[in-house]
Amino acid sequence: SSELTQDPAVSVALGQTVRITCQGDSLRTYYATWYQQKLGQAPALVIYGKNNRPSGIPDRFSGSTSGNTASLTITGAQAEDEADYYCNSRDSSGNHVIFGGGTKLTVL
Amino acid sequence: VQLQESGPGLVKPSQTLSLTCTVSGGSVRSGSFYWSWIRQPAGKGLEWIGRIYTSGSTNYNPSLKSRVTISLDTSKNQFSLRLSSVTAADTAMYYCASSYDYAWGSDRYTWFDPWGQGTLVTVSS
Repeated sequence: SSELTQDPAVSVALGQTVRITCQGDSLRTYYATWYQQKLGQAPALVIYGKNNRPSGIPDRFSGSTSGNTASLTITGAQAEDEADYYCNSRDSSGNHVIFGGGTKLTVL
Repeated sequence: VQLQESGPGLVKPSQTLSLTCTVSGGSVRSGSFYWSWIRQPAGKGLEWIGRIYTSGSTNYNPSLKSRVTISLDTSKNQFSLRLSSVTAADTAMYYCASSYDYAWGSDRYTWFDPWGQGTLVTVSS
């Protein structure tokens, strides 16, 4: 399939751990890449590849994959982590990029 | 590397939307990068529009392919988007971004970084 499915909304208590998932058949071939988008800003890369963080991204962000499901885990969520999170991968042809529908994370 | 979108903020229905992304701090000819366009309607998710490689080869979203052209201007260190026959459904924030396809053994993935700040395009008469 050429779709990535994300839960529309997830909430987490301050300091707790939250997992945001991205599901799709293409994830059996391609790792998901994760982006954080805060209100009024462009998306920013947070996790790429197996579990790589760009410089400046806190180590409380981590990524993992199992079968057709990729996960972004925030261990000890902070208020500043409240944002929309998007995953992307490539479709089954490998020539096109696909995005998940996004997950709105609320930190309570 | 920094990217900056520019172009009209208002386009009439049935006309062609034209945007340019200016790259600074790097060259559109260097490396193995793709130069991409992504859009986001207000309150909605991200939609990949298409990309152009440093060689000039292109890939487009199948749902937009008949209306999209992405081109590279190496003399100006820019790349551009043209979207024809626009309707209100094309109203969105348009982002340009650098992207890379990584492949080593079984490790394959695509990332977008950096992104431009985005430019809002409204389709209305």
